[in-house]
Amino acid sequence: HVQLQQSGPGLVKPSQTLSLTCAISGDNVSSNNIGWNWIRQSPSRGLEWLGRTYYRSKWWNDYAPSVRSRITISADTSKNQFSLQLNSVTPEDAAVYYCARDDKKFFDFWGQGTLVTVSS
Amino acid sequence: IVLTQSPATLSLSPGERATLSCRASQSVTNFLGWYQQKPGQAPRLLIYDTSNRATGIPARFSGSGSGTHFTLTITSLEPEDFAVYYCQQRTTWPRTFGGGTKVEIK
Repeated sequence: HVQLQQSGPGLVKPSQTLSLTCAISGDNVSSNNIGWNWIRQSPSRGLEWLGRTYYRSKWWNDYAPSVRSRITISADTSKNQFSLQLNSVTPEDAAVYYCARDDKKFFDFWGQGTLVTVSS
Repeated sequence: IVLTQSPATLSLSPGERATLSCRASQSVTNFLGWYQQKPGQAPRLLIYDTSNRATGIPARFSGSGSGTHFTLTITSLEPEDFAVYYCQQRTTWPRTFGGGTKVEIK
């Protein structure tokens, strides 16, 4: 059974970098048919897919146009986890952030969510 | 691709039938899924590729449609079914979600 455990700060100052990690159990971050995603949810933007990392002979990334210039998603195979970095945050980046697995179809396993507040 | 869900809120009683709609701004063929979300929880996958129930999802949940119009039906509402439901397409990147339908107790 796949489980995703999120960690990271819930408070980030404006203009700084939001960093979250998602630890995987029951699967491998290097699995060939799986993608590892970050999704956020806010009252103003609803559910918004931010990006993913996946391994197909090498590491690849896809990012949403809305955050492409500010986002990095990376995998750590030694710890079987993946991470989100979102630079230059503003109050509009305040949301609940989720990590999620996709099996090349839909998001079948999700992390517990992290409420991120952007405030000085 | 923009997904529009209706109605925004559905007020029903346990045992009643719920019919939720999701319309896409362009065809998603059959690559449409549904999620259920309860307060304080992550979304849970219910239906994938229009009509396939995810693992462990009861048979009272069913999906139908194609192209741009899709429906999620809950044949007889159980108390635990009162929640918010989202549709999501996997035809194109970025993946997009609908705005949700809240099924509330009447």
